[in-house]
Amino acid sequence: DIQMTQSPSTLSASVGDRVTITCRASQSLGNWLAWYQQKPEKAPKLLLYQASSLQSGVPSRFSGSGSGTEFTLTINSLQPDDFATYYCQQCDSYPCTFGPGTKVHIK
Amino acid sequence: VQLVESGGGLVQPGGSLRLSCAASGFAFSDHYMDWVRQAPGKGLEWVGRSRNRANSYTTEYVASVKGRFTVSRDNSKNFLYLQMTSLRTEDTAVYYCARGVPYVGFDDWGQGTLVTVSS
Repeated sequence: DIQMTQSPSTLSASVGDRVTITCRASQSLGNWLAWYQQKPEKAPKLLLYQASSLQSGVPSRFSGSGSGTEFTLTINSLQPDDFATYYCQQCDSYPCTFGPGTKVHIK
Repeated sequence: VQLVESGGGLVQPGGSLRLSCAASGFAFSDHYMDWVRQAPGKGLEWVGRSRNRANSYTTEYVASVKGRFTVSRDNSKNFLYLQMTSLRTEDTAVYYCARGVPYVGFDDWGQGTLVTVSS
């Protein structure tokens, strides 16, 4: 199975900050990586796919980069609505696997 | 697109339960459909998949549920199912159905249904 790790596990930030989350895969994924945002008691929401493609309707302050085994999610100018948990995910090979999540707190 | 799960509840260890997901707003048979779960306070875990008509609706599972859970679908009614047997306490989670898009991810999700396995 492909193992996904994320760093940091938690992050404190202020509105307006630039935030970067890193995701690493135990094997090369090409660019098959997705990012999700989840708020408490809600279903996850797809933010980015193929490492850097923005899902329809997602604000442009979200961006992604990377390939192979290392990927990043960047949020430019953090907004109050962005405080949530973020997960990376691969489905390059089965089983599909998620990272453990990064919780973004208000500082 | 709308996905609505139902069928969750309290079940004893060793018991069975069938979850349903009613899909609307898209060509159901043309899409992969997935189940993803989240144990209380924990992260997301992919459970299983039903591919689309073009791929003969074949299925995949995570190892921890293989042989115990079955993903199926009724394409005439636009329903996805998760039949769960030999349930264990560690299967306690919110179960989401999601629309899977190859090389993209899960682009639409239901609201989830809670399954509690406890004596």
